[in-house]
Amino acid sequence: AQTVTQSQPEMSVQEAETVTLSCTYDTSESDYYLFWYKQPPSRQMILVIRQEAYKQQNATENRFSVNFQKAAKSFSLKISDSQLGDAAMYFCAYRPSYGGATNKLIFGTGTLLAVQP
Amino acid sequence: DVKVTQSSRYLVKRTGEKVFLECVQDMDHENMFWYRQDPGLGLRLIYFSYDVKMKEKGDIPEGYSVSREKKERFSLILESASTNQTSMYLCASRPPLTGKAGNTIYFGEGSWLTVV
Repeated sequence: AQTVTQSQPEMSVQEAETVTLSCTYDTSESDYYLFWYKQPPSRQMILVIRQEAYKQQNATENRFSVNFQKAAKSFSLKISDSQLGDAAMYFCAYRPSYGGATNKLIFGTGTLLAVQP
Repeated sequence: DVKVTQSSRYLVKRTGEKVFLECVQDMDHENMFWYRQDPGLGLRLIYFSYDVKMKEKGDIPEGYSVSREKKERFSLILESASTNQTSMYLCASRPPLTGKAGNTIYFGEGSWLTVV
């Protein structure tokens, strides 16, 4: 069974500093997608960044970047120059590319990020 | 921008009541989903639908049913609410899995349900 593990329930970072959120996953598939979602307090969950497993290059979106280690099944999120608005729950998610399970996103348990001014 | 609207943000219901959670999306997406979010458990898929009148069970369908009579609307039904169904419920929608847009799932703001 495919699983996604976020081992850090809570993290804290100082404003303007860099923080890395960890995510590992387990799958026997070779082709899949990985995502980081952000859920601010009382607000909608939004996509932060996406990585296709067949791409070796790590995805980057402005201050957000990932470190994708396919062999180690690791997918960490780095937030640079942290801002107060980055405070949120962050979810790592996995979806295989093919087959009947393609509709299903599998989520980790989340990491609550606090940003200290 | 895609909009996924959950009509009720906060509900309090009694044990045994029938509960309807409504979700509407405005982007003509084929796929719609209901998740349940609990602390320490992340998001778990209850049901999803890939077309009108079509539905499939997710990982935790017990105690729930769904209805999709129109493409834009996906309803989650608790036939007889129980206290262990107290949770946050998230609706989501997504276009077909063709091209990069198909990868993006859009969420509603969530419905907080308390069953007493």
